[in-house]
Amino acid sequence: AQSVTQLGSHVSVSEGALVLLRCNYSSSVPPYLFWYVQYPNQGLQLLLKYTSAATLVKGINGFEAEFKKSETSFHLTKPSAHMSDAAEYFCAVSSARQLTFGSGTQLTVLP
Amino acid sequence: EAQVTQNPRYLITVTGKKLTVTCSQNMNHEYMSWYRQDPGLGLRQIYYSMNVEVTDKGDVPEGYKVSRKEKRNFPLILESPSPNQTSLYFCASSLGLAGDLLSTDTQYFGPGTRLTVL
Repeated sequence: AQSVTQLGSHVSVSEGALVLLRCNYSSSVPPYLFWYVQYPNQGLQLLLKYTSAATLVKGINGFEAEFKKSETSFHLTKPSAHMSDAAEYFCAVSSARQLTFGSGTQLTVLP
Repeated sequence: EAQVTQNPRYLITVTGKKLTVTCSQNMNHEYMSWYRQDPGLGLRQIYYSMNVEVTDKGDVPEGYKVSRKEKRNFPLILESPSPNQTSLYFCASSLGLAGDLLSTDTQYFGPGTRLTVL
C-alpha cells in the first residue's frame, strides 16, 4: 500500500521568506508524486508532479520539489513567499488507479 | 473552457433522504473519481471509474453509490445519508492513459460540494 505523510498541519512564514513544506512517502514500487494546492473555497489544482524524468521538479508560481529516494521525501519549496501563496497544500502518491493524498498543510503568509 | 462541474455546491439535508450530487466534465476524459475531504484527513477516494460502465471502490465506499452511463457524467448517490457523511466532496477527472501512464495523469478537480446531513 502506498501512503504519504505531511509533517506539519500548519506552517506560517513571513512574506519574502523561504517556504518549505514536507512530504515523505511510502511505496513498494517507484512512486509517482504530486503536489496539489487548494485556495480557499476552490477545488485542487496541480502544482507539480514527479514522474521519474528528473529529480528536481519545477512547478507553477515559483514552486519546486526535489525527489530524494534515499530519504523517501518530496519536499515542496519556494524561495520567497508571497501573500497569494496562502492556501492548503497536499502531497499525493499515485498508483495505476488511485491517487492517495496526505492530510494537508495549511500555509499562512504573514505580512 | 475545460472544466469539471459539480452540482449542487452546497446542500443541507436530513438523515435518510436520498440525494444525488452530479459531476460533469467536458474534456473527454476516461477516468473520473470522487473524493471526500475532512479536516485532518486530507482527501480520501470514494469511488472511481476507468471508463463508461466501469466503476470500482476507493478507500471509503460505504454508504455511497456511483454510476457511469455516459463518459462525461459521474454522479454520486447517497441513498440513505447519515451525519457521518457530512463532508466536502470533490469530483475529479483525468485523461485515463493506458497502463502505467495512468499513474502520471494530472487530475482536474471540480469546485466541491459541501454537504451537511442533519
